[in-house]
Amino acid sequence: GEDVEQSLFLSVREGDSSVINCTYTDSSSTYLYWYKQEPGAGLQLLTYIFSNMDMKQDQRLTVLLNKKDKHLSLRIADTQTGDSAIYFCAGDNAGNNRKLIWGLGTSLAVNP
Amino acid sequence: DAGITQSPRHKVTETGTPVTLRCHQTENHRYMYWYRQDPGHGLRLIHYSYGVKDTDKGEVSDGYSVSRSKTEDFLLTLESATSSQTSVYFCAIREQLRGETQYFGPGTRLLVL
Repeated sequence: GEDVEQSLFLSVREGDSSVINCTYTDSSSTYLYWYKQEPGAGLQLLTYIFSNMDMKQDQRLTVLLNKKDKHLSLRIADTQTGDSAIYFCAGDNAGNNRKLIWGLGTSLAVNP
Repeated sequence: DAGITQSPRHKVTETGTPVTLRCHQTENHRYMYWYRQDPGHGLRLIHYSYGVKDTDKGEVSDGYSVSRSKTEDFLLTLESATSSQTSVYFCAIREQLRGETQYFGPGTRLLVL
């Protein structure tokens, strides 16, 4: 079946850039998403990218999409301790009701 | 936050008892989803609804049933709770302005003893 893979952990120093990577198998995905989950909270939509785009920038967030390699990345500039969270990559799958296919999440730890 | 609330937010119950979780939305979204989240498994879809009285199974539907008698409410029932159903349950709605964007409720933590 369709799959989305992410590395499980990332540790960075405060002020550095973080890059979280994701690979997906469904080449028909129209939108790809990044969600953030803070401890004890629900998932919050961070940003998304349409499949015909290569890059999207939104303040400190940059999403890069390489459709040929089916690779998606999220770059967080000037990472802050408040960015510590789990980040989920997801893609929609073509077909009825277009359910989202989720990665397992990358736990980002930001060290002072 | 798309006006999604979940109740209860926390529940402890015993094996074999029925449990119903409620998801309520205020923005008239057609699609609603129930997920469970467990360490090492990420988010897994239990059931979803595409309208009043229209529901379908997700990837982990065994032991769960759902009902949607009104647009705003989507109920998840554990018919006879088991310890393997200890989890965090999230409800979500789909907003179609930007693809299949889903917005999530705050979650319900369920412990089955």
